[in-house]
Amino acid sequence: EAGVAQSPRYKIIEKRQSVAFWCNPISGHATLYWYQQILGQGPKLLIQFQNNGVVDDSQLPKDRFSAERLKGVDSTLKIQPAKLEDSAVYLCASSSNYEQYFGPGTRLTVT
Amino acid sequence: GESVGLHLPTLSVQEGDNSIINCAYSNSASDYFIWYKQESGKGPQFIIDIRSNMDKRQGQRVTVLLNKTVKHLSLQIAATQPGDSAVYFCAENRGNTPLVFGKGTRLSVIA
Repeated sequence: EAGVAQSPRYKIIEKRQSVAFWCNPISGHATLYWYQQILGQGPKLLIQFQNNGVVDDSQLPKDRFSAERLKGVDSTLKIQPAKLEDSAVYLCASSSNYEQYFGPGTRLTVT
Repeated sequence: GESVGLHLPTLSVQEGDNSIINCAYSNSASDYFIWYKQESGKGPQFIIDIRSNMDKRQGQRVTVLLNKTVKHLSLQIAATQPGDSAVYFCAENRGNTPLVFGKGTRLSVIA
């Protein structure tokens, strides 16, 4: 089966600019997650969707981060405006039960 | 490829030897634990999981041990191969709460 797809793989922007990441989960997976992985650390959950509804966004910095999954399939994560500390790998994962399947991530560098 | 973590604890093992990677988890109420493998430039990959009603679970070449008394989890890899070189993360949760990832350990296999 095809895995979780993410694009772009790399993005370099200047602080205060905006950026968007896209994720296409594994077909049929109802649950979709966005994680932030800062260099040297484990992934940290930003937001979890069940179909097109938000299950948990308690760790999402809502003043600058937003995410949507309008049709319950693919999802976008946006940062506006970006800060230097947003430099990280943004991972998308999907699941149909307990096991989460991760995409390759998007490496964001904010200069 | 890019490095997942530059300042992680590192375990160096000779090819063919057994590896033991340790993790101290934080929440005594956690009832589900997972080990992930993350290669450079890729998302985390599920290796093995264990529930809190068990203290040992075996997979193919891998064994996870859980000691709830001291909140300790370990991953044993038998006959370590060069392809096992990666960063390994433990993760924990309880019920439907978000997965919390540990700090990670880099395993380097010496051929």
